[in-house]
Amino acid sequence: DVKVTQSSRYLVKRTGEKVFLECVQDMDHENMFWYRQDPGLGLRLIYFSYDVKMKEKGDIPEGYSVSREKKERFSLILESASTNQTSMYLCASKNPDTGELFFGEGSRLTVL
Amino acid sequence: QKEVEQDPGPLSVPEGAIVSLNCTYSNSAFQYFMWYRQYSRKGPELLMYTYSSGNKEDGRFTAQVDKSSKYISLFIRDSQPSDSATYLCAMSEGNYGQNFVFGPGTRLSVLP
Repeated sequence: DVKVTQSSRYLVKRTGEKVFLECVQDMDHENMFWYRQDPGLGLRLIYFSYDVKMKEKGDIPEGYSVSREKKERFSLILESASTNQTSMYLCASKNPDTGELFFGEGSRLTVL
Repeated sequence: QKEVEQDPGPLSVPEGAIVSLNCTYSNSAFQYFMWYRQYSRKGPELLMYTYSSGNKEDGRFTAQVDKSSKYISLFIRDSQPSDSATYLCAMSEGNYGQNFVFGPGTRLSVLP
């Protein structure tokens, strides 16, 4: 089974702090994604990566950056957290044969 | 108008009922249609995946796509309390594209 692991399930941070959200997948998928999920808005794409060190902005990249130093690991970085970044963050990797997205269990971030 | 519309619910039904979940969309270029199920405090998991118009059945679940009306449905027969979850529709223009667009999700409760 494909496994996408998000190391932090729940985080509480202060405004202005730097936040790292880590995601690891074990299926050698090239494409990985970071979404945020908010009530009534669904999943919105922040960034995606189609290979090591390659990244593309999604629909809402402002305030975020990403890092993909190894194929299995895709990190989301909030350089200076703000209260409007309080959300559920979901990492996913994509099966290239079927197009199916496999999601991690999510990281719920609260910024005070 | 949002690109994908979905009634957020909540929808409550008695055990054994037939459930109908629906999404409408505006982009006629969408060809791949997916339904994800998301249990509370978990990441979404793929339930059904269909290409273009038509029906697809998998056990108690049937996915239906009507591209002429830009309307997709998920039917759950003999609903069970374990079906209680949020159901997200998602769609994309191509199997290998990055542009997955998600609906906001419908929260379903199946009462014993």
